[in-house]
Amino acid sequence: KAGVTQTPRYLIKTRGQQVTLSCSPISGHRSVSWYQQTPGQGLQFLFEYFSETQRNKGNFPGRFSGRQFSNSRSEMNVSTLELGDSALYLCASSSTGARGNEQFFGPGTRLTVL
Amino acid sequence: GESVGLHLPTLSVQEGDNSIINCAYSNSASDYFIWYKQESGKGPQFIIDIRSNMDKRQGQRVTVLLNKTVKHLSLQIAATQPGDSAVYFCAENSGGYQKVTFGIGTKLQVIP
Repeated sequence: KAGVTQTPRYLIKTRGQQVTLSCSPISGHRSVSWYQQTPGQGLQFLFEYFSETQRNKGNFPGRFSGRQFSNSRSEMNVSTLELGDSALYLCASSSTGARGNEQFFGPGTRLTVL
Repeated sequence: GESVGLHLPTLSVQEGDNSIINCAYSNSASDYFIWYKQESGKGPQFIIDIRSNMDKRQGQRVTVLLNKTVKHLSLQIAATQPGDSAVYFCAENSGGYQKVTFGIGTKLQVIP
């Protein structure tokens, strides 16, 4: 069974631009979560989607948004990029998203904002 | 705000020795904890979890201990191997569903 895939793996943008990242969960998984990882803040929860609905949201500004499609694939979008948005963005999938349900992480998308 | 943190940013261990990675959490309402391993260039990988109604749980070469009194958990790795070199995160699933709060991480370096 294929793992979680994320595209693109690397991305360079400039301040003010917007970016869209994609995540394909493990086949059969319906829950997709997104995390931001930086050296200073570690891994921080962005949001979680299940059946095309956002169920949980972390403490990020409205510039960060996401969506999930009927095939469970998910995208996240960051508008008006800031230097501080440079980070590794990780996607994780689980079958139901219930607590205790193991999450499987993708390799991440490395975003650099210049 | 509530957070999950680690005591040691870097831990160096001789191959074959046991490793102990510690984690302090501040949310006394936390009732589910997870340890993850992240190797360079990869996403975090689930190692072991524990619920608050337990104080110990064992896996293959790993043991997690939970002390709710002092809000502390630890990950013990037996007979540490070079392949164990990675960053280890403790994490808390604080709400319903997959809303996980991670600690900053501890880098484990295994000395051959």
